[in-house]
Amino acid sequence: ETGVTQSPTHLIKTRGQQVTLRCSSQSGHNTVSWYQQALGQGPQFIFQYYREEENGRGNFPPRFSGLQFPNYSSELNVNALELDDSALYLCASRSSGRDTDTQYFGPGTRLTVL
Amino acid sequence: GDSVTQMEGPVTLSEEAFLTINCTYTATGYPSLFWYVQYPGEGLQLLLKATKADDKGSNKGFEATYRKETTSFHLEKGSVQVSDSAVYFCALSGTYTPLVFGKGTRLSVIA
Repeated sequence: ETGVTQSPTHLIKTRGQQVTLRCSSQSGHNTVSWYQQALGQGPQFIFQYYREEENGRGNFPPRFSGLQFPNYSSELNVNALELDDSALYLCASRSSGRDTDTQYFGPGTRLTVL
Repeated sequence: GDSVTQMEGPVTLSEEAFLTINCTYTATGYPSLFWYVQYPGEGLQLLLKATKADDKGSNKGFEATYRKETTSFHLEKGSVQVSDSAVYFCALSGTYTPLVFGKGTRLSVIA
């Protein structure tokens, strides 16, 4: 069984730029969520995708957007980067069958905005 | 809204010491409760979970019991090892709802 994978591992951008982060969900999982983890903090929910549609969103502005593809992989896009966007971005997937309450995380993408 | 409060760290213990990390929660309904662990430079790994009151989750010597009456889910281990050094997160969620995390507790175990 393949776990959740994310790319890239690290990324450095400058303020105002745009970034795309990618995630491949665990085999058999059709729901993907994205979380932002600032340094020294717990992860904060950004949004969730199920069957290629956003079906839940946290307190993040519209410049955070996403996509889910037919193979259940996902992208997180952030426009007009700000310094405070520097964080570890975590992707998590879960099944719609059993253990629907349990999410499994990827290793994360560390984004630095200069 | 739902929230999780866990004890502030850092916690520093000697090898083979007993570990307790306190976690309390506020939630509507009956969420599932989780402990995740994050090793340096890595993502989150599910450590254990409990889905209903009085359930005990356990894994790798760690245990936590879902206490509805005290809205708590404290993490315990009888004898910690240096390899247990990490940040531990308590979290809750319902079916198809997002995880709500505590701020994390950093554990350092010294030989």
